[in-house]
Amino acid sequence: QKEVEQNSGPLSVPEGAIASLNCTYSDRVSQSFFWYRQYSGKSPELIMSIYSNGDKEDGRFTAQLNKASQYVSLLIRDSQPSDSATYLCAVRGYKLVFGAGTILRVKS
Amino acid sequence: DGGITQSPKYLFRKEGQNVTLSCEQNLNHDAMYWYRQDPGQGLRLIYYSQIVNDFQKGDIAEGYSVSREKKESFPLTVTSAQKNPTAFYLCASLQGLGMNTEAFFGQGTRLTVV
Repeated sequence: QKEVEQNSGPLSVPEGAIASLNCTYSDRVSQSFFWYRQYSGKSPELIMSIYSNGDKEDGRFTAQLNKASQYVSLLIRDSQPSDSATYLCAVRGYKLVFGAGTILRVKS
Repeated sequence: DGGITQSPKYLFRKEGQNVTLSCEQNLNHDAMYWYRQDPGQGLRLIYYSQIVNDFQKGDIAEGYSVSREKKESFPLTVTSAQKNPTAFYLCASLQGLGMNTEAFFGQGTRLTVV
């Protein structure tokens, strides 16, 4: 079992729709959870961090964490073509581990 | 400005040669990480360090070595034992264990074997 799992996609959504990205993790002692966006050939940039159960909103982005289910998600509202990228889920327990990423394509 | 700097941006290595990738941060972060990314793949952990003078192997440490003599610096050496080193290498830093802070990345080093 991989430590952090994501659906590789691609996930295709029309412009203006909601994109939903999901991630599960195996280490129950994980304490910090992150979503990064990565454009081709570039380094990852942080979008959201979440540390406690529930929802956290920042602009068009909402992160959701459920530690009991070992599940973290990212919702992107009003998706734009510029949101097209690979989204990486990262989980920190003793170490910081990344999922393989989900490719998002927003069609105009 | 605070940040994390990787150098060089591009690096070419001949067969059988050791090369060292630099990673420097002025964020006063305790923890530093090295990842490798192959085309179309996620980030795989090579080595990480939670504190000065200490580091641990990640999932793909074979053929790599690191040192952590200063808090600000975490250089990665790709040795001749690494048979397929061509990849994008990323360094990240964040606060120590038990602290809820984000990890920040350098701009990456693209290593190519020639």
